[in-house]
Amino acid sequence: AQSVTQLDSQVPVFEEAPVELRCNYSSSVSVYLFWYVQYPNQGLQLLLKYLSGSTLVKGINGFEAEFNKSQTSFHLRKPSVHISDTAEYFCAVSVYGAAGNKLTFGGGTRVLVKP
Amino acid sequence: EAQVTQNPRYLITVTGKKLTVTCSQNMNHEYMSWYRQDPGLGLRQIYYSMNVEVTDKGDVPEGYKVSRKEKRNFPLILESPSPNQTSLYFCASSGQREFSYEQYFGPGTRLTVT
Repeated sequence: AQSVTQLDSQVPVFEEAPVELRCNYSSSVSVYLFWYVQYPNQGLQLLLKYLSGSTLVKGINGFEAEFNKSQTSFHLRKPSVHISDTAEYFCAVSVYGAAGNKLTFGGGTRVLVKP
Repeated sequence: EAQVTQNPRYLITVTGKKLTVTCSQNMNHEYMSWYRQDPGLGLRQIYYSMNVEVTDKGDVPEGYKVSRKEKRNFPLILESPSPNQTSLYFCASSGQREFSYEQYFGPGTRLTVT
């Protein structure tokens, strides 16, 4: 079975400052990794995903994440945040052949961008 | 527009009164899932379906039922809701194409059981 830990439940950050959201996972097999964003009162939107290849993955809205297999981490970063980045962010994993492409989610990190 | 729709978006009900939350996708996806979101726990899978008439339990199936009679629809049924089922529910769909894996989520249904 897989598990995902998001180390920070809340991250306050000032506008135009950088932000890093930490994600660690546990799995006995190779995983696929995802970051989703949930804006207030909305569903989940895919930010980026790692399936294979380059360990640095670029996503939408200026976000990027780096897969580190030895540390079983997939941290999300943005060099300069905007007010509109205020949202909850979820890290998730799946494995090859998972029934229905099942995702296992972390507990989420709330990002509050302050002016 | 490719999308997953859910209805209703908000629902307040009383303990024991049967309810159904509908989910529909227009992407011809084989896989569909239901998740519930609770603070600090992220999203947890309730049930999933691999195709028409093929469903199976996820991580937290107790108190829920599903059916998949048509490819596009995957309703979630609570036959006797209880207060611990108060939560935010998401339907998701995903294609069977290799190397896809992305799940598309509906807008969510906020359920309150009193």
